Amino acid sequence: SQTIHQWPATLVQPVGSPLSLECTVEGTSNPNLYWYRQAAGRGLQLLFYSVGIGQISSEVPQNLSASRPQDRQFILSSKKLLLSDSGFYLCAWRDPGNQPQHFGDGTRLSIL
Amino acid sequence: GENVEQHPSTLSVQEGDSAVIKCTYSDSASNYFPWYKQELGKGPQLIIDIRSNVGEKKDQRIAVTLNKTAKHFSLHITETQPEDSAVYFCAASGVTGGFKTIFGAGTRLFVKA
Repeated sequence: SQTIHQWPATLVQPVGSPLSLECTVEGTSNPNLYWYRQAAGRGLQLLFYSVGIGQISSEVPQNLSASRPQDRQFILSSKKLLLSDSGFYLCAWRDPGNQPQHFGDGTRLSIL
Repeated sequence: GENVEQHPSTLSVQEGDSAVIKCTYSDSASNYFPWYKQELGKGPQLIIDIRSNVGEKKDQRIAVTLNKTAKHFSLHITETQPEDSAVYFCAASGVTGGFKTIFGAGTRLFVKA
């Protein structure tokens, strides 16, 4: 069966520090991969998605970037974090086509 | 652009009562409608979905109905239990934008014991 792993589960970082969040998927090939941010008590904001290795689409301009170095690995990065980058970051995957997305358990990022 | 509206934003029911969450979508090409449940500190989990070739689908205490003409779909939870308390998201997708999934804003359900 397919599984998705996100780490770390929680992260506290100072303003101006770099960021790297990792997401890996097992049990499937060539998945579509997604990064979302969720502010407290709010909905899901799509940040990036990828349909293949090295293919990244950005939904909103921001201080973050994404990379997909391997088929089932998706990384969210920043060179210098801002206070506004705080939030709950969710990775998701789905099989290509009109299929459901499956979410990881998220990373809670706090910027001090 | 495509949009999914979800109501209500907050719903409080007594244990044992039914809960109904409603969504409306704008893209008539949408033909797949999943529902997710998000518990505190966790990622959303798929609980039920429906495709446009059926009008209703049921799985134990949860059911989803779809009215394609009106572009409405709803989640029904019967005999609610305290563990049903969570945030629920509806979503819609179709061929538009390469099967892009549009999520509703979420409904926070409280089930009072």
